[in-house]
This record gives sequence, structure tokens and C-alpha cells, in this order.
Amino acid sequence: DTEVTQTPKHLVMGMTNKKSLKCEQHMGHRAMYWYKQKAKKPPELMFVYSYEKLSINESVPSRFSPECPNSSLLNLHLHALQPEDSALYLCASSQPGQGKNIQYFGAGTRLSVL
Amino acid sequence: QQQVKQSPQSLIVQKGGISIINCAYENTAFDYFPWYQQFPGKGPALLIAIRPDVSEKKEGRFTISFNKSAKQFSLHIMDSQPGDSATYFCAATQRLKAAGNKLTFGGGTRVLVKP
Repeated sequence: DTEVTQTPKHLVMGMTNKKSLKCEQHMGHRAMYWYKQKAKKPPELMFVYSYEKLSINESVPSRFSPECPNSSLLNLHLHALQPEDSALYLCASSQPGQGKNIQYFGAGTRLSVL
Repeated sequence: QQQVKQSPQSLIVQKGGISIINCAYENTAFDYFPWYQQFPGKGPALLIAIRPDVSEKKEGRFTISFNKSAKQFSLHIMDSQPGDSATYFCAATQRLKAAGNKLTFGGGTRVLVKP
């Protein structure tokens, strides 16, 4: 099973709202990632969590706040977003320490900021 | 700074034809080279991947060719089918000190297979 589950699939929010994106995997992976993807562009890395600790923040604005409550779950808390933050948000996971370095992606959350 | 360059940006091929996508990289620290397939509204799905010490890998209709000295690799899709119409991303990974890896994507190629 190589499934990464993201909820919700779609989200519409106003600029003053607070919302959260959720990502779950049960593959025993200890590295989890958030990406942002704009139309016709490749995914851009936002955050990396390794063993439930934030290891990389790619200079993401503070209106995006990640959280890793346990080894299977990754959240992205959203607050005071801008219309340009509208995008597909992808979660991925991988198993650190193995030779193949494969990241498995979820289906994403399509976010629209009005 | 685009560390993985991918071409062409788009490709139209007839059913049964061969689709070829090329990628080039600069960073010699990359240690694994996956290809991802993405359909509209879906996340990228791993298609096939290769280590830099292997020159070719084939899985069904998909083949990766890898040239380490030239720092280039390519994806060949044989007998292309309409269901192969998707965006394809080449990528390169670099192991992180803490754990996991950093994935650098090419710009993507939109493939359209005409019936």
C-alpha cells in the first residue's frame, strides 16, 4: 500500500478564514513533505518533516503553519491567506535511510482563496 | 535556478507512436532519478526510477535511459496510448542530512496522444 490520503479534496476560503489541510499515511514513513503546485508548473517544496521534526522550511510565509502531531499525520494550518495562495497543495512521504529515495504523493487539496 | 531542465514542454504523438522526453541536470550530488506522471486534478504518481550507476531501465512500455557522463536522462514511452495523455515530470533526489530527501523537479512535459 503506497497511499497518502489528503483531506479535504477541495477548499474555498476567504482571506480572513482559518482552515487546516490534513495528510495521513500508514506506510511507516518517517519523512513527510508539503508542496504547492500552481497550474502548469512543477510542485514546489514548502516544508519537510523528519521524524516528526521540522527539518526544512523553504522560506514559506508565516500564514502557512505546518504541524506533525505523530509519525502518520501532517497538517498545514492556513490563516490570512492571499488570492495568490490559490493552488493545489500536495503532501508526500518517504522512508528515510533506504536507497531508493522515493516520495509518494497524495491526490492533493485544491485551495481557492477568495 | 532550475537544476533539472526538461524538454520539450509539450508533445503530441499518434497512438502507437513513441514519446521521448529529455532531462539534464547539473548537481552531481543527485543520487536517484524518478519520473512522475500526473493527470489533471491528481497528485504526481511515480512511474519509473533509475539509479545513476544504471544506464537503462525498462518497465513495460516505459524506458529510462541514463547518461551519467553527460548528466542527461530520458524517458521513452513505447506504443503510446490515449490513456498516457498526462504531464510527465522528471526529477532528481538528494538525500537530506536529517532524514528523507529533497526532490527537484523538471519543468514538466504535457503529452497528448491522439487516437
